Amino acid sequence: NAGVTQTPKFQVLKTGQSMTLQCAQDMNHEYMSWYRQDPGMGLRLIHYSVGAGITDQGEVPNGYNVSRSTTEDFPLRLLSAAPSQTSVYFCASSPTSTGGGYTFGSGTRLTVV
Amino acid sequence: GIQVEQSPPDLILQEGANSTLRCNFSDSVNNLQWFHQNPWGQLINLFYIPSGTKQNGRLSATTVATERYSLLYISSSQTTDSGVYFCAVRNAGNNRKLIWGLGTSLAVNP
Repeated sequence: NAGVTQTPKFQVLKTGQSMTLQCAQDMNHEYMSWYRQDPGMGLRLIHYSVGAGITDQGEVPNGYNVSRSTTEDFPLRLLSAAPSQTSVYFCASSPTSTGGGYTFGSGTRLTVV
Repeated sequence: GIQVEQSPPDLILQEGANSTLRCNFSDSVNNLQWFHQNPWGQLINLFYIPSGTKQNGRLSATTVATERYSLLYISSSQTTDSGVYFCAVRNAGNNRKLIWGLGTSLAVNP
């Protein structure tokens, strides 16, 4: 049981490049979400999904897209990377949208130069 | 929206000491979780505890939902307990997003 798997663990991008951060869970969780963590600002929700085919915006969605074509996968796309998107990104899942504890992936450290 | 306040913001302990971390929230919740982020950045779910008391080894947690607070107890602390402890809640009226506190940074010295 792998839990939540995030790839890559580290990435350096040039300004304007695009990329996709991958997130997969094998626990049949309904709810998946993406956070970014910046020093002094805690965890901020980017996008979330309550099930396959359903996504919604969090606190800081600008510059990011998501899709949820399967229960297992929830990729995060950076459309045109900016230095302000330098951060650590975490994917998390929980059994339902209303209850249960979150399981986090190991994170992706992204630097945009 | 709901506010989450954690205290203390920083804590330094000698190995073997006990500590209590507090999480206050400003509205009713149907989901409350405690997390530990270790020095390598990994986030581990410690407790899912919207109400009541739970124990897991040296850690225990109590949530008094009617008084809008939760406590995390660490007994006989070890250096591996170092890191940041986060409380996160979901408002009963907005049940799709967790609201996070800013954390308590704990350092346990040998």
